[in-house]
Formats: sequence, structure tokens, C-alpha cells
Amino acid sequence: QSVLTQPPSVSAAPGQKVTISCSGSTSNIGNNSVAWFQQFPGIAPKLLIYDTHKRPSEIPDRFSGSDSGTSATLAISGLQTGDEADYYCGAWDSSLRGVVFGGGTKLTVL
Amino acid sequence: EAQLGESGGGSVRPGGSLRLSCSASGFMFSSYWMTWVRQAPGKGLEWVANIKQDGTEENYAESVRGRFTISRDNAKNSLYLEMTDLRAADTATYYCARGNHVWLFYWGQGTLVTVSS
Repeated sequence: QSVLTQPPSVSAAPGQKVTISCSGSTSNIGNNSVAWFQQFPGIAPKLLIYDTHKRPSEIPDRFSGSDSGTSATLAISGLQTGDEADYYCGAWDSSLRGVVFGGGTKLTVL
Repeated sequence: EAQLGESGGGSVRPGGSLRLSCSASGFMFSSYWMTWVRQAPGKGLEWVANIKQDGTEENYAESVRGRFTISRDNAKNSLYLEMTDLRAADTATYYCARGNHVWLFYWGQGTLVTVSS
């Protein structure tokens, strides 16, 4: 049972836009920044979004992050088949004094 | 380019111990918090522990507190995870990552730890 809640799966067609939600509480998302990670099978996770909406320089602007209250959202526009992966949200939890992750969302590009 | 490489994984019996190492290169190791994250087979990510640049502050997940110890040797650009009283639930790929909290910009390739009788 993950502290942050993500949908197990999402799907969309190539070229479309998809959003992945991440729900938490005031001890994590509500008062701390959020990160999003992309992971392909058998490969280490890769940071996509940090500080809720910032992108590392190598990440295309098709990926964007936002938050509202105790929830965060990852949006991926112009979907490509190469975007098929697992996506995880994470945040520092001030009460637990540790990082909490969502359970992960599998993106399928139909 | 920052690079991280884990080693020390393997098979161990329940109750046993193991020490993981993470070798860092391509950046000023002593300037960064470092973190261990694990992933059980077919499961999601689980934060394990992190350590401050000079080693004076450590944080642990509840699931490993009292059994695992994170440490670092800045002279050797190395991060460690000493694991004792290992349980089947500790079976996972262990990743070291550069950064504090969720600002984990660089990750190693991971090392697999299997706890089984």
C-alpha cells in the first residue's frame, strides 16, 4: 500500500495527450515538491520532473508537471510509442521523514 | 557526466548480512546527499535511506531502521549500505542515487539482493 496513490494504468493513442495523477496528503505533496520518474523494464528510473514542474535539460517539453493542493499531475503530450513505460511520483514526507513513492502507473500507447 | 555503479548484491539466507557499495565518478561526490532506493521484483520503488554530504545526518525508512546502516567515504567517492537481519521482504534491486529527498538526478544500474532459504 503506497502512501501516494497513482492509477495502475493509463493509455492513449500516439500523438494524443495523457495525464497521470498522484494523490497524497498535507505531509507530502501538500507541503513538499514532487518528482516524477520514468522507468523502462530492467532499467534504472530516470528523473523526468523535479520541484513539481521543472525538467532536467535533456527532458523534452512534452513532459510537464503540476500540482494542486495534495495532488500532482504528470502530463505527456504528443505521445510516442517510446513513451511506453512505468511512471512513478515521489515526494518527501515531513511526518515520516522519508521519501514516499506512488505505486507506479503503466502507460500504454495504443 | 555523473556515473554511479553498485556492487555487492547476491543471495543470502534470512537473518544474514550483506554490504552494498556504490562507486561514484564524474562529479564532486562530497558535495551531494546520496540515497538508496530499492525495488522488489515486479513492484514499485521504495526509498531506503539517505545521507548528508559529510555523513552527519542519516534518514531511514521505517522498514529498515535498526537493521540497515548507510555510510559514505568521501575520500573514496563511495557510498555503502550495511544490511543485517535480512528478510525475504528485503529481496530487491538496490539502486544508489545522487541527491536528497526526491531530487534524484542520477541513478546507478542497480544490484540485486535475494534473501531466501
